[in-house]
Amino acid sequence: QKEVEQDPGPLSVPEGAIVSLNCTYSNSAFQYFMWYRQYSRKGPELLMYTYSSGNKEDGRFTAQVDKSSKYISLFIRDSQPSDSATYLCAMSPQGAQKLVFGQGTRLTINP
Amino acid sequence: DADVTQTPRNRITKTGKRIMLECSQTKGHDRMYWYRQDPGLGLRLIYYSFDVKDINKGEISDGYSVSRQAQAKFSLSLESAIPNQTALYFCATSDLPRFTGELFFGEGSRLTVL
Repeated sequence: QKEVEQDPGPLSVPEGAIVSLNCTYSNSAFQYFMWYRQYSRKGPELLMYTYSSGNKEDGRFTAQVDKSSKYISLFIRDSQPSDSATYLCAMSPQGAQKLVFGQGTRLTINP
Repeated sequence: DADVTQTPRNRITKTGKRIMLECSQTKGHDRMYWYRQDPGLGLRLIYYSFDVKDINKGEISDGYSVSRQAQAKFSLSLESAIPNQTALYFCATSDLPRFTGELFFGEGSRLTVL
């Protein structure tokens, strides 16, 4: 079993829809939770970062962490065609700068 | 110019050949990483280096070796390439001392082994 599981999709939604992306994990030592966005033919870029449990909002993006359920989510409101990309969740234990990535979800926002 | 530069961007080679992928960075970061990306498998860590004298194996280091020539340079070698090493390879860096989960990635090196 992988430490981090993410539905690879692909996921296709109309412009303006609310998108929910999710990851589950098995390692209770994970304390740092990240979402990366990767455009085609580019390297991943950090989108959101959360330490421990709770919610974090940045514009149209909201990251949620539920450590009791070992479940994290990324919500995108008012989705735009420019949001079309692969989204990767990533996690790391306290004090370790080694990230464990999910498989990535390929998202397409249709105009 | 990109902060993290990988060369070559694309390479096609044959089974048994030695291949080197190079990474250089201008961010001044001490920590550097090599990941490979495969469809359906996400990013997997091959090797990482926390400074010039520190090299560590990741989860899939078999068949690979690395060299940290300087703070800014970290190379990945495939001594005898095999087809299942066909993948997209990424170099990344991170900053000290505070870790905020942010890795800075290059644009990737696509390797095809025939």
